Amino acid sequence: GQQVMQIPQYQHVQEGEDFTTYCNSSTTLSNIQWYKQRPGGHPVFLIQLVKSGEVKKQKRLTFQFGEAKKNSSLHITATQTTDVGTYFCAGPNFGNEKLTFGTGTRLTIIP
Amino acid sequence: NAGVTQTPKFQVLKTGQSMTLQCAQDMNHEYMSWYRQDPGMGLRLIHYSVGAGITDQGEVPNGYNVSRSTTEDFPLRLLSAAPSQTSVYFCASSAGGPLNEQYFGPGTRLTVT
Repeated sequence: GQQVMQIPQYQHVQEGEDFTTYCNSSTTLSNIQWYKQRPGGHPVFLIQLVKSGEVKKQKRLTFQFGEAKKNSSLHITATQTTDVGTYFCAGPNFGNEKLTFGTGTRLTIIP
Repeated sequence: NAGVTQTPKFQVLKTGQSMTLQCAQDMNHEYMSWYRQDPGMGLRLIHYSVGAGITDQGEVPNGYNVSRSTTEDFPLRLLSAAPSQTSVYFCASSAGGPLNEQYFGPGTRLTVT
């Protein structure tokens, strides 16, 4: 079945440093979604990318969708303590019936 | 709008007991799903429903049953709890199925001893 992997599993950065998480799918995706889960909380939708090569920005966050629509990345510039949490990518399966989540990247910030 | 609600927030079961995790949404979403979250394994799909009366299995359905008698409610039943079912369970709903934004409930933390 479809597999969605993320690297790294954990990332510790000093406040102000940049952070990047990578998402790779075993199959071509019709879209890629990104979610953030704060410690003790539930996943919250951040953004969706649909087109091959698409790049979207939300303030300090930059999201990219690969040309082959099998990989994606989330880059945070100048991290802040409010960025702490686990970031998940997710993509629909081939029949667009199920959403498969990546394994997540847990970001911790050292003040 | 309350969004997606889940009850209970916490639950401790003994091995072999059964229980139902409740999930309700007031956004008139057709698509609902259940995930379990375990450390290092992300969110894994248990069951999903594309509308009232229609359910299907996800990635890890064994030991769980679901039903969808109304658009609003999507309960998850543990038939005979096992320690391997210790996890955090999230219910989610979406207006456009897996192609669109998923709205998650606050989760149920289940411990099976």
